[in-house]
Amino acid sequence: GESVGLHLPTLSVQEGDNSIINCAYSNSASDYFIWYKQESGKGPQFIIDIRSNMDKRQGQRVTVLLNKTVKHLSLQIAATQPGDSAVYFCAENIAGANSKLTFGKGITLSVRP
Amino acid sequence: DVKVTQSSRYLVKRTGEKVFLECVQDMDHENMFWYRQDPGLGLRLIYFSYDVKMKEKGDIPEGYSVSREKKERFSLILESASTNQTSMYLCASSLIMSGRGSNQPQHFGDGTRLSIL
Repeated sequence: GESVGLHLPTLSVQEGDNSIINCAYSNSASDYFIWYKQESGKGPQFIIDIRSNMDKRQGQRVTVLLNKTVKHLSLQIAATQPGDSAVYFCAENIAGANSKLTFGKGITLSVRP
Repeated sequence: DVKVTQSSRYLVKRTGEKVFLECVQDMDHENMFWYRQDPGLGLRLIYFSYDVKMKEKGDIPEGYSVSREKKERFSLILESASTNQTSMYLCASSLIMSGRGSNQPQHFGDGTRLSIL
C-alpha cells in the first residue's frame, strides 16, 4: 500500500549516530508540543512532549528542545538504531483550542546499517 | 498502556454505500478524535468529541458524521461513500485535565485503510 512517508523530506543517518529532526511550528500562542513516531502500517506513537514553560525535556534516548523565540522544535535521538526508522512529526496545541492538535507534515528518518 | 482499537485494518466499499468505522478506547478518556491521513497532506481532523453525545466539526467534516453514545466508543460514518474518501483513517483519544499546563497527548489506533471503489 502507499506509504505515509511518500513525498516527505528524508533524513538519512548512520546507525549509531545521533539524529536531529526539526520542526517549525506555526502559532506563537501554542503552549504544548508533542513528537510522534509512525512506523509503516501503524498509527502514530507518542514519543515525548514538552510544555511552553520549558525549553528542554529528556526521555530515554530522546531529547526535545523548544525555542519559542523562533518557533522551533527539535527531536534529538541518541545512538540511532534501525528500529528508529519511521516517519516523525511534531504537533502543537494552541492555548484554548480544546485539546485539538495541529500536526506537521512529517519527516522520514532512514537509518543506514 | 493506552489502547485504542479500530475495528478494521482494511476495508473495501463501493461508491454510495454507508460506511461505519468503529473505534474503542480502554482508558476512560473524555476526548476522542477522527482524522484522515493522506500522502502530502498529513493528518487532518474530521470530527472530535469531548464527551458522550457531544461532537464538534474539525477541519474537513463534509461527507462525514460521527456518533458517541458511550464514552469508550466513537464511530465515524460516511453517509454516502465517494472515491475521494479513500484514505487512511485514524482514531485517537486523550484525557481532559483542568487547569493551565494540563494538556495531555493524544493516543492513536493503528488505522483503517479504506478503499472506495
